[in-house]
Formats: sequence, structure tokens, C-alpha cells
Amino acid sequence: EPEVTQTPSHQVTQMGQEVILRCVPISNHLYFYWYRQILGQKVEFLVSFYNNEISEKSEIFDDQFSVERPDGSNFTLKIRSTKLEDSAMYFCASGGRFYNEQFFGPGTRLTVL
Amino acid sequence: AQSVTQLDSHVSVSEGTPVLLRCNYSSSYSPSLFWYVQHPNKGLQLLLKYTSAATLVKGINGFEAEFKKSETSFHLTKPSAHMSDAAEYFCVVTERMIYNQGGKLIFGQGTELSVKP
Repeated sequence: EPEVTQTPSHQVTQMGQEVILRCVPISNHLYFYWYRQILGQKVEFLVSFYNNEISEKSEIFDDQFSVERPDGSNFTLKIRSTKLEDSAMYFCASGGRFYNEQFFGPGTRLTVL
Repeated sequence: AQSVTQLDSHVSVSEGTPVLLRCNYSSSYSPSLFWYVQHPNKGLQLLLKYTSAATLVKGINGFEAEFKKSETSFHLTKPSAHMSDAAEYFCVVTERMIYNQGGKLIFGQGTELSVKP
């Protein structure tokens, strides 16, 4: 069964460093998403991406964040200058044509020191 | 605006007894509703979804949920709990649309289900 994959599973970085989180969505999906879950809190929407552009973004998704689909298979989330409060589990999801059904990857745990 | 409230942060049941995880939603639009499950160190797996007129929805692993518009509820049930059901469960709402338009999912806080032998 097709699934969304994410790498790395765990990333540790120093505050102020740039990180890139990578995702491979399900191959025939058209919509791509990033969510995050700070420890003990709700899963929160960050951004959705369709047709090579951002469809919607939350207030969390400021200028420090960017997304890209560089080669037709990968979908990346870049954080330019990480802050302590960026420490969270980041989930990638992809969706097909119908009903806004989204399939999630296993997540990348980002720890900012 | 849309929101989801999961009424219990933690539910504990004995193996073989029924499971009830409660969810209430608020939506300005006709909603689609989902339940996702997250096992430790795993991703979010879709259990079931409500997107149409069939108000009783069956999902994987024997779970069901009933959409009750009058009560704005979408409670998750299972007749008989199994040890492998121990996990975190999330109720999720989004605007209902037949053709995906990239709409965001709004998650509840999550309910941790423990199953005692």
C-alpha cells in the first residue's frame, strides 16, 4: 500500500541553524501539507501546497518557513533560522482528488538546542 | 470558524469491553469529519471518515462513528477493545467538499486510550 515517507526521523540542531525536512508524498497525489505538533499540544496546520504554489498557510508559517517541491517527488519544509520554540514533531501529508482526505507520514522530530 | 473538542484526554478500558471516545465539533460549513489514530512512534493513520449522507461510518479494526448533526457530535466506538487499540486518537474536522481543494484539517486535542488486560 502506498505511503508517505519522511526523513530524517529525528533531527537535532542548534538555534539559528537552517534545517530542511523532507517528505515523499504518495505518487499520484496532488495536494501536499505540513503540520506540526509541539509536545503536549494539538496537531496544527502549517501550510498546504498545490500546483507548485502555496494554497493556504497559517499564522505560524512566517518568513522563516518555506516549502518546495524541487523534483516532482520530494516535498520539503525549510526553516531558515531555527528557534527553540520550533522544537516539535513535523508531519507531512498528501491528499488525492476527493474529500480532502489526507494521508500522513510518520513525522520528523525536530529538537532545537 | 471550525473547531473540535475531544471531551476526554484519557480513557481507560479493560480488554473485551466497549470503547467510547467523545468528540464535538463546531463548523460554519457542512463538515467532513475524520478519526485518526497514532500508535507510539508511528504516523497518523486514518481510521474512518464522514463525508456524505451515511451518518453511521465504519472504519478499520472494528471502529465506528456516528455523525449527529443535532448534537454536533462524532463519537468513536468499538464493541470490544483489544490490547492493540491502545494509542492516541484524534478527531478532525474540515470543510466538506467533494473535490479536494487543499483545505486544512483542524485537530482535536487527542484522547489517549489505555487497554488493561
